[in-house]
Amino acid sequence: AQSVAQPEDQVNVAEGNPLTVKCTYSVSGNPYLFWYVQYPNRGLQFLLKYITGDNLVKGSYGFEAEFNKSQTSFHLKKPSALVSDSALYFCAVSPDMGRRALTFGSGTRLQVQP
Amino acid sequence: DVKVTQSSRYLVKRTGEKVFLECVQDMDHENMFWYRQDPGLGLRLIYFSYDVKMKEKGDIPEGYSVSREKKERFSLILESASTNQTSMYLCASSFTASGTHEQYFGPGTRLTVT
Repeated sequence: AQSVAQPEDQVNVAEGNPLTVKCTYSVSGNPYLFWYVQYPNRGLQFLLKYITGDNLVKGSYGFEAEFNKSQTSFHLKKPSALVSDSALYFCAVSPDMGRRALTFGSGTRLQVQP
Repeated sequence: DVKVTQSSRYLVKRTGEKVFLECVQDMDHENMFWYRQDPGLGLRLIYFSYDVKMKEKGDIPEGYSVSREKKERFSLILESASTNQTSMYLCASSFTASGTHEQYFGPGTRLTVT
């Protein structure tokens, strides 16, 4: 069975500073990895994914994530945070073979202070 | 753009009532999913379906059933609602041929059982 850990319930960062939201995973076989964002009272919006290839993945709104196979991590990053980035972020994993459903982490709330 | 719609944004029901949550997608996706979202627990998979009239249990199916009579529609049924089913319910869909397992989410239904 697969699992995802997001060790921080909340991350606080000042506007203009770089941000990192951490994610580690466990899965049998090769992982498909995702980051989604959720704004208040909304569904989940896709940010980016890693399927194969370059370990650094670029996504929407200036976000990127780095796949590290040896550390089984897929941390979300942004060079310069905006107040509008404040939201709930979810990391998710799926094995490349077998069940197509995603397994999600518990979520990390990002607060960007002006 | 893919559009996933859910029948209600907010729903209040009484204990013991039968509750139907409807989800419709407009992109001819084969796969559809129901999750519930609770604070600190992330999203947990209730049921999913790979095709019409097919269903598979997710990680927390107890107290729920599903129906998929048409490809675009996936219904979640609470046979006898209980207070511990108060939650945010999210529907998602995905396209098998994309090969990536990327899911598209609806806006969610916040269900309160009193």
